[in-house]
Amino acid sequence: EPEVTQTPSHQVTQMGQEVILRCVPISNHLYFYWYRQILGQKVEFLVSFYNNEISEKSEIFDDQFSVERPDGSNFTLKIRSTKLEDSAMYFCASSEEQGRGEKLFFGSGTQLSVL
Amino acid sequence: AQSVTQLGSHVSVSEGALVLLRCNYSSSVPPYLFWYVQYPNQGLQLLLKYTSAATLVKGINGFEAEFKKSETSFHLTKPSAHMSDAAEYFCAVRPFGGYQKVTFGIGTKLQVIP
Repeated sequence: EPEVTQTPSHQVTQMGQEVILRCVPISNHLYFYWYRQILGQKVEFLVSFYNNEISEKSEIFDDQFSVERPDGSNFTLKIRSTKLEDSAMYFCASSEEQGRGEKLFFGSGTQLSVL
Repeated sequence: AQSVTQLGSHVSVSEGALVLLRCNYSSSVPPYLFWYVQYPNQGLQLLLKYTSAATLVKGINGFEAEFKKSETSFHLTKPSAHMSDAAEYFCAVRPFGGYQKVTFGIGTKLQVIP
C-alpha cells in the first residue's frame, strides 16, 4: 500500500530555533494536513492545504507556523521560533478526496523535542 | 464544534476476550465517524469509517463498529482479542457536507493480557 513518509523521525532543537518538518504525501493525493499530538493528549488538527493554499487552520497554527509545497512532492511544516510547548509528535496526512470516499493516510510522525 | 468522547484512556482485556472501545459523538446531524489505530512507533491507520451507508461497519483485522444515532455512539468491537491488537485507538469525527477537518478523540490504549 502507498504510504506517507515523514522525515526526520526525531528532531531535537533549542528554544527559539527554526525547524522544518518534511513530508512526502502519496503521489496522487490532493489534500494535505498536519496534526500534532502532545504527550498524553489528543491528536490536534493544525492545518489543511489544498490547491496550493491553506484551506483551514486551527488556533494553534499562529504566525510562527507555515506550510509549503515547494516542488509538487514535498509538504513541509515550518516553525519559525520554537517554544517549549511545541514539543510534540507531528503527523502529516494526505487524502485523495473529500467526503464519503475520504481516507486519511498518516505518516509515522516526527517527534519534536524543544529544549 | 463537533467532538468525540472516548471513555477509558486505558482498557485491558484477556487474549480471546471481547474488545469494546467506547466513543460518543456530539452533533445534531449524523457526521462521518472514523476509528484509527496507532501501533507503537507508527502513524495512524484507518480501521473503519461510517459514512451513512450502513449502521454496522466492518473494518480491518476483525474490528467492527455500530453507529447508533439514538445513543450518539460509535463503539468499536472485536469478538476475540489477539495480542497483536495491543495499540492505541482513536475515534474521530468529521461533519457531514462540505470541507471540514477531522477531529480526534483523546485515544484509548488497549492492553491484551496473555
